[in-house]
Amino acid sequence: AQSVAQPEDQVNVAEGNPLTVKCTYSVSGNPYLFWYVQYPNRGLQFLLKYITGDNLVKGSYGFEAEFNKSQTSFHLKKPSALVSDSALYFCAVRSRSYSGAGSYQLTFGKGTKLSVIP
Amino acid sequence: DGGITQSPKYLFRKEGQNVTLSCEQNLNHDAMYWYRQDPGQGLRLIYYSQIVNDFQKGDIAEGYSVSREKKESFPLTVTSAQKNPTAFYLCASTEGLDRSYEQYFGPGTRLTVT
Repeated sequence: AQSVAQPEDQVNVAEGNPLTVKCTYSVSGNPYLFWYVQYPNRGLQFLLKYITGDNLVKGSYGFEAEFNKSQTSFHLKKPSALVSDSALYFCAVRSRSYSGAGSYQLTFGKGTKLSVIP
Repeated sequence: DGGITQSPKYLFRKEGQNVTLSCEQNLNHDAMYWYRQDPGQGLRLIYYSQIVNDFQKGDIAEGYSVSREKKESFPLTVTSAQKNPTAFYLCASTEGLDRSYEQYFGPGTRLTVT
């Protein structure tokens, strides 16, 4: 079974400071990893994904994430936080290996609420 | 929210009534998904469909039903058998069956059952 852990329910950061939202995963074989953002009462928006290759992935709105296979982590980062970055962030994982129909399922973490303080 | 529409945005029903949530996409995507979101629990997969006229149960399918008669449409019915139906429901789609594809989400329907 695959799983995602987002150890922090909430992260507070001052505007202009760097931000990190943590994610660790468990999956059979190698993973596909994704980050999504959700604003209140809206659907999820795709930010970035790791498929293969460079461990540092760059995405939308200045976000990036670093894949660390040994630590099974995929932390989301941004060098300088904006108030408009305040939202709910979800990490998700899917196995690269096919193991039946369930392989197509994307497993999400419980989300981390990011608050950027002016 | 891409090319996925969900209607209505808010839905209110009395306990014991079935209700159908609409999901339409104009992205020509093969695969479609239904998730349920509850506060502090992330997203949980209800049903998914990889192709027209085929669908699979997700982790929490009990009390729900779906159909996939057209590629662009994947309606979800919340039946009276669903014990706790009040939640935010999200529909999503992906371009194909390659597991590297990201999912595109609709704006969601908030269902309240009293």
